[in-house]
Amino acid sequence: AQSVTQLDSQVPVFEEAPVELRCNYSSSVSVYLFWYVQYPNQGLQLLLKYLSGSTLVESINGFEAEFNKSQTSFHLRKPSVHISDTAEYFCAVSEGGGATNKLIFGTGTLLAVQP
Amino acid sequence: NAGVTQTPKFQVLKTGQSMTLQCAQDMNHEYMSWYRQDPGMGLRLIHYSVGAGITDQGEVPNGYNVSRSTTEDFPLRLLSAAPSQTSVYFCASSYSTGRGNTIYFGEGSWLTVV
Repeated sequence: AQSVTQLDSQVPVFEEAPVELRCNYSSSVSVYLFWYVQYPNQGLQLLLKYLSGSTLVESINGFEAEFNKSQTSFHLRKPSVHISDTAEYFCAVSEGGGATNKLIFGTGTLLAVQP
Repeated sequence: NAGVTQTPKFQVLKTGQSMTLQCAQDMNHEYMSWYRQDPGMGLRLIHYSVGAGITDQGEVPNGYNVSRSTTEDFPLRLLSAAPSQTSVYFCASSYSTGRGNTIYFGEGSWLTVV
């Protein structure tokens, strides 16, 4: 069975500092990997995703994530965070060959950016 | 473009009452699903549907019913509410053809069962 582990429930960081949010997954089949962001009292929005090809994927607001198959990881990074990046971030996985689009989510990491 | 619309946004129920959370999408998506979000547990899949007339159970289906009579609508029914069903509920949709399609989420329904 697939599972997703986000070890850090909360990551405090100062504005303009770099940040890494960790995500590890387990699966016996090929996977697709996603990062979703949830701002307070809102639904989830797709931040970026890895389907195939280049292992480094980027979002439009400066985040990037690298798929590492040997370490079964998909960590999210940003070189310089802003106050507006404060949100909860969820890593998710879906089966590569699945006929449906079910996502398995991690427990989330709250990124708290401090001035 | 309305996207995925959920109603109501907030609801308080008494134990044993029934209610329906409504979900509608205007993107002609085949795939729709319901998740619940609880502190420290992320999002867990309750039920999903790959098209009108087709539904299936997710990870935590007990106490919930769904139906999919149209492509646009996917209501979630609580038959006899329990305090353990206090949660935030999210409806989501996507195209199911093609792999790794982006899933779009509604803004959530906050449910409290007292």
